[in-house]
Amino acid sequence: NAGVMQNPRHLVRRRGQEARLRCSPMKGHSHVYWYRQLPEEGLKFMVYLQKENIIDESGMPKERFSAEFPKEGPSILRIQQVVRGDSAAYFCASSLWENEKLFFGSGTQLSVL
Amino acid sequence: AQSVTQPDIHITVSEGASLELRCNYSYGATPYLFWYVQSPGQGLQLLLKYFSGDTLVQGIKGFEAEFKRSQSSFNLRKPSVHWSDAAEYFCAVGADSSASKIIFGSGTRLSIRP
Repeated sequence: NAGVMQNPRHLVRRRGQEARLRCSPMKGHSHVYWYRQLPEEGLKFMVYLQKENIIDESGMPKERFSAEFPKEGPSILRIQQVVRGDSAAYFCASSLWENEKLFFGSGTQLSVL
Repeated sequence: AQSVTQPDIHITVSEGASLELRCNYSYGATPYLFWYVQSPGQGLQLLLKYFSGDTLVQGIKGFEAEFKRSQSSFNLRKPSVHWSDAAEYFCAVGADSSASKIIFGSGTRLSIRP
């Protein structure tokens, strides 16, 4: 029973490029959450999605960041025109129901050169 | 506004010694409190949580935490640490169990001395 799968584990981008981070939730989970972890800081909530719907994006920067969770396939966090400040670990979590226990993936480390 | 403070950035303890990791929170009502562990290269794993009831909460891997309202604290304890406990530990607070509303502390890195 696979857990939450995130890929890639490491992603290197040059300034101005696009970054696409993927998250496959645990089997049967339809609630997905994205968090960002900057060095020496705790996780910061970004966005909460259910299948085909964005439920809460209060933690998402207003520009360049977007997220989706299509009916089929993984959830995607997309960062356009990356800047050095976007370098961070991005974690995805899933749950069976809203407000239920979260299961975290092992994260994607984004490095922007 | 909710906030959570972990005063210790890095702690080193000897294997077999007892452990206490500090966590202080700021919240107007009774908060939902969590401790997570993050092993190197891994995602966060929930150790324990407190919503209500008994203020001493038992978690996985032999950890426990005590909610002290008067001190606004939720310290994590373990009587005897193992080398495999070396990891980053995050305290978190929320108004409810909503994952989108949970505020994480900045973490305490635990190293184990052989």
